[in-house]
Amino acid sequence: EVQLVESGGVVVQPGGSLRLSCAASGFTFDDYTMHWVRQAPGKGLEWVSLISWDGGSTYYADSVKGRFTISRDNSKNSLYLQMNSLRTEDTALYYCAKDSASSSWSFDYWGQGTLVTVSS
Amino acid sequence: DIQMTQSPSSLSASVGDRVTITCQASQDISNYLNWYQQKPGKAPKLLIYDASNLETGVPSRFSGSGSGTDFTFTISSLQPEDIATYYCQQYDNLPPESTFGPGTKVDIK
Repeated sequence: EVQLVESGGVVVQPGGSLRLSCAASGFTFDDYTMHWVRQAPGKGLEWVSLISWDGGSTYYADSVKGRFTISRDNSKNSLYLQMNSLRTEDTALYYCAKDSASSSWSFDYWGQGTLVTVSS
Repeated sequence: DIQMTQSPSSLSASVGDRVTITCQASQDISNYLNWYQQKPGKAPKLLIYDASNLETGVPSRFSGSGSGTDFTFTISSLQPEDIATYYCQQYDNLPPESTFGPGTKVDIK
């Protein structure tokens, strides 16, 4: 059974830093591109970042470019999101999601999310 | 950046009704369009990928169509368990990026 379990969400002050983790199981982790998607409270979905299967390619939404860094450790079946210079507008539930085997950018499995609150 | 619009923003229909949601892209995205269902307190679920392909295990009452800038998502016979918010998602590879539509909330009348 595919499982994605996020962790690391906390309350942090504006300007602070945070590292989110996503532990993957039930599939061959290093075969797939992985993504982070976020959802502000009561709002819609926003794609945040992707990392290729080998970590060699990373891409970001303009809203987080230069502040967030995505990474992965295939030996640990884990995905990470380093978040720096946090802003109140980064407050959201952060999901990790797996690319589908059928089509890139189709997210067939999602975690339950980890909540990041940026507030003073 | 490609912008996505969805309509309606919400709808109320009876069990057994045919429900249609539209999604429009600000420029041609070919068939790079997916549909997700999100129930309250849950993660989104992939229903349709590449505009018209039904994800494995998803009931056949769900379907999608369209290409270019205009896309349609249909529930052929609304069921009580279909109460959710539905999102379209476009993606591009040059440069790699993705945008979700604002969502359509579906309720039972």
